[in-house]
Amino acid sequence: GAGVSQSPSNKVTEKGKDVELRCDPISGHTALYWYRQSLGQGLEFLIYFQGNSAPDKSGLPSDRFSAERTGGSVSTLTIQRTQQEDSAVYLCASSLTGGQGGSPLHFGNGTRLTVT
Amino acid sequence: TQLLEQSPQFLSIQEGENLTVYCNSSSVFSSLQWYRQEPGEGPVLLVTVVTGGEVKKLKRLTFQFGDARKDSSLHITAAQPGDTGLYLCAGARGAGNKLTFGGGTRVLVKP
Repeated sequence: GAGVSQSPSNKVTEKGKDVELRCDPISGHTALYWYRQSLGQGLEFLIYFQGNSAPDKSGLPSDRFSAERTGGSVSTLTIQRTQQEDSAVYLCASSLTGGQGGSPLHFGNGTRLTVT
Repeated sequence: TQLLEQSPQFLSIQEGENLTVYCNSSSVFSSLQWYRQEPGEGPVLLVTVVTGGEVKKLKRLTFQFGDARKDSSLHITAAQPGDTGLYLCAGARGAGNKLTFGGGTRVLVKP
């Protein structure tokens, strides 16, 4: 497909379990972002990958959250020992980069995570 | 405190009315983008503004970037129910032009 793909689209898990969320960016896009969105609110930045540079992890809310990007393509966001406050929609986006234009982000449809 | 503040948070209007959404910051951005998001989907880019004072029009939508590149506005003329959605502004700054989003404005246009 031509767009950003996220899986699963929905995930229900019990408190204390670990979850993995997957993002397949658009081919050739060097930048990849993870955001979290709670109930129709704005987007909370989590982590940013740009090419081969060290990721910007400044938005990760706790050490239970981690993410990796393998081969500059697919990314996985892992949440360990999930808590109820982790319930949200997790959005992934990718973009081409360069210049001062701020390359537009192409978003997936998100993974809705519910922690019971 | 968010880097980008959007106002109002929620706006409900009748079809045919005009509306303006604001995006403000104390920081300078190299560019600013506006997105619209519908339920169950990711945000979709509407426009990117780069130059201070720039005005861009997209049909009934008018976007303006402040002279100092710290703020922006989105004006919708003769709103239609299809304009309903969550409008998000996002500013690019710093190494790699990382995007930071505002809190969003939820717009409801009633027929």
